[in-house]
Amino acid sequence: GNSVTQMEGPVTLSEEAFLTINCTYTATGYPSLFWYVQYPGEGLQLLLKATKADDKGSNKGFEATYRKETTSFHLEKGSVQVSDSAVYFCALGNSGGSNYKLTFGKGTLLTVNP
Amino acid sequence: GAGVSQSPSNKVTEKGKDVELRCDPISGHTALYWYRQSLGQGLEFLIYFQGNSAPDKSGLPSDRFSAERTGGSVSTLTIQRTQQEDSAVYLCASSRPGQPRDTQYFGPGTRLTVL
Repeated sequence: GNSVTQMEGPVTLSEEAFLTINCTYTATGYPSLFWYVQYPGEGLQLLLKATKADDKGSNKGFEATYRKETTSFHLEKGSVQVSDSAVYFCALGNSGGSNYKLTFGKGTLLTVNP
Repeated sequence: GAGVSQSPSNKVTEKGKDVELRCDPISGHTALYWYRQSLGQGLEFLIYFQGNSAPDKSGLPSDRFSAERTGGSVSTLTIQRTQQEDSAVYLCASSRPGQPRDTQYFGPGTRLTVL
């Protein structure tokens, strides 16, 4: 079945540092890939998505590229801010008819210190 | 506009009691989903509604779990005879017609603690 593995946290960075959160997946077919973010006390929000190989999703300075050859979708940001402190989830959507069934990683807690 | 809302935000119950968790999706969203996030685990899919029907209940972990949706809007997830392993955050999401169903909008969740 489908699975998502993301780097375990917590990750602690200083403001303006470079961020990478690794995510790899196992899936059949050609799933869409997502990064969700959960700020303290809030619900999950879609951060970015990519629907096919070599697509790059980007939002709020975050980027991730769909790499089919390495089955990866690593999240990067060049200069993090304190407001980026949150839990980040990598996810994939089933390909085909059950594409609503999202499979999530366990989440990575990011803390950015001033 | 309002997002997905869930109630209660926190629920503490005793083992063996029944609980009901409520989800109010974004207005106009025809598809609704329930997920569960247990400690140290990623989110697990539980059930998918399209309108009032549930074509996919494959993620419900046991027959103690059931869900319904009325009027194509509010959904209730019921857990009967709760067990300690049911303790988790239960998340609801919805999606709108015309968008891919994997583009889902999540509520803040209900944290269930079974003592």
